[in-house]
This record gives sequence, structure tokens and C-alpha cells, in this order.
Amino acid sequence: EDQVTQSPEALRLQEGESSSLNCSYTVSGLRGLFWYRQDPGKGPEFLFTLYSAGEEKEKERLKATLTKKESFLHITAPKPEDSATYLCAVQANQAGTALIFGKGTTLSVSS
Amino acid sequence: DTGVSQDPRHKITKRGQNVTFRCDPISEHNRLYWYRQTLGQGPEFLTYFQNEAQLEKSRLLSDRFSAERPKGSFSTLEIQRTEQGDSAMYLCASSLETTYYGYTFGSGTRLTVV
Repeated sequence: EDQVTQSPEALRLQEGESSSLNCSYTVSGLRGLFWYRQDPGKGPEFLFTLYSAGEEKEKERLKATLTKKESFLHITAPKPEDSATYLCAVQANQAGTALIFGKGTTLSVSS
Repeated sequence: DTGVSQDPRHKITKRGQNVTFRCDPISEHNRLYWYRQTLGQGPEFLTYFQNEAQLEKSRLLSDRFSAERPKGSFSTLEIQRTEQGDSAMYLCASSLETTYYGYTFGSGTRLTVV
């Protein structure tokens, strides 16, 4: 069964304290891995798509990397406005167009 | 075009009533999706349209749920005979055929069944 596991469930950081979020996946053929940010009461906001092991993408303080078993979202020198829930999702060969989401990591950054 | 619009934002209904939600996707996007999200969980796929054709439906989509996308533009999701377990955020998303830009989600419709 295709599944996505994110860790930790919650993460508290001080402003400027860099860290990484983990997304491990088990799928029957990966077509793409997606990172989204979700603020309370809003829909997920697209961040990155990764397609193959070794691929990396960056946006401001965020950098996403992909291996054959997991993906990391690195947050460098976070600011309070980076506080949100970060969701990882995969699109698998046997699952059509559906994105299979993890439960997310809730990040809190304090000043 | 400011993104994916969903209406209403909130809906409270009594158990057994029917409800209908509307989604207006980004106009250039020919793909439209419905997802459901409960508290503390990631979104779960419900159904997918390419233009007006409903091409995929999840096993989660019981026969009380029906979705349409007439003329390949806006979409509606109807839930008949609502149950308390239907309480959730219903998210609509749209995309181009490439996943390079991901899916653009709306802000959702929060359904509470009392």
C-alpha cells in the first residue's frame, strides 16, 4: 500500500535556528513528490515538485531534497512567518492522479 | 484570475440534509480535483475531472457523494443524507496537465454536520 510518513509531528524553533523536516514514502513507483505549506483555515499552498532521486529545489529559506526512500525540507534561519503545517505528498504509478498526503509537520518559529 | 474559489466557506447542516459545494478553478486549468481533510490529517483524494469528464473516483466516495463539472468549468460536490462523519474541510484544487507547478488549492469549505 502506498503511504507517506512525516516526522516530527510538531517542531518548535527559535528564529534563526535551522532544521529539517522528514518525509518517508513507500510507493509502487514514484511519479512525483510534492511539498505544500498550509496555514490554519486555508488550503495547501504549493512549494515544490521533485521527480527523481538527487533532485533539489530551493525557494527563499526552504530547500527540498529527494532520495529513493525519503525527502527532506530544510529550513535555513527560519522566521516567525514560516510557522505553518508543512505537508508532503506523493503521486504513485498505481494511484492515478491522486496525491497521497502525509499528516504534516506543524512548525512553530518564535522570535 | 485570483486562484481557486470555493463557496460557501462554512456550512452547518443537520444530519440527513443534503448539501452542495461549488468550486471555480483557475480558468486555464483543465484538471480539477476534490479532496477532504479532517483535523490533524492530510487531505484525502475524492475525485478528479479532466475538462467535463470525471475520470477517477476514490473508494472513499460513497454513493451519497456526487460531483459534476458541466462544460468543464466550475464544479459542484453534493453530499446527500449527510452524516456526522462527513464533517470535514472539503478542498478543491485545479492544475495544468503537468505536475511541475503542482496543484492550486482553494481555501476550502468547512462542513459541520450536527
